[in-house]
Amino acid sequence: QKEVEQNSGPLSVPEGAIASLNCTYSDRGSQSFFWYRQYSGKSPELIMSIYSNGDKEDGRFTAQLNKASQYVSLLIRDSQPSDSATYLCAVNRESFNKFYFGSGTKLNVKP
Amino acid sequence: SQTIHQWPATLVQPVGSPLSLECTVEGTSNPNLYWYRQAAGRGLQLLFYSVGIGQISSEVPQNLSASRPQDRQFILSSKKLLLSDSGFYLCAWSEQGGDTQYFGPGTRLTVL
Repeated sequence: QKEVEQNSGPLSVPEGAIASLNCTYSDRGSQSFFWYRQYSGKSPELIMSIYSNGDKEDGRFTAQLNKASQYVSLLIRDSQPSDSATYLCAVNRESFNKFYFGSGTKLNVKP
Repeated sequence: SQTIHQWPATLVQPVGSPLSLECTVEGTSNPNLYWYRQAAGRGLQLLFYSVGIGQISSEVPQNLSASRPQDRQFILSSKKLLLSDSGFYLCAWSEQGGDTQYFGPGTRLTVL
């Protein structure tokens, strides 16, 4: 079983719609959760972090965490073509110093 | 503010040749440092991480090695490259006791 699992996509949404990206993790001891965006040929850049159950909003982005279900999601409101990228979910387990990444979900936002 | 550098940006090497990739971090002290590899269309594979000078942990057995000769310098090496070593190599750092990783710009390696 993989530490962090994501649907590889691609997920296609029209411009202006809400994009919903999902991630599950296997270790209940996981403490910190992150979403990174990676444009083709570029390195990942941090979008959001979340540490406690519930929602965390930052501009058009909302991260959602449900530790009981071991589930993390990212919602992108008013999706723009510039949001087209691969989104990586990452988890920092209790045995710190190590981060586990999902394989990423490719998002296509169509004009 | 902190900055992370990697070089070279791109590299084309023949099979069997040596490799040296360098990563440096500015604006912080005693960071945790990481090397990842990303094959085309794939996720990130953790190769090595370091919590201090001379302290290297290896995650995947392979023909690669890592060294940390200075506090903010992390080097990835190989004596003989394989075709399977091709990929996008990413260096990352985090604060000691911190829980967020930040990535460098990466090195795209092609082994022919």
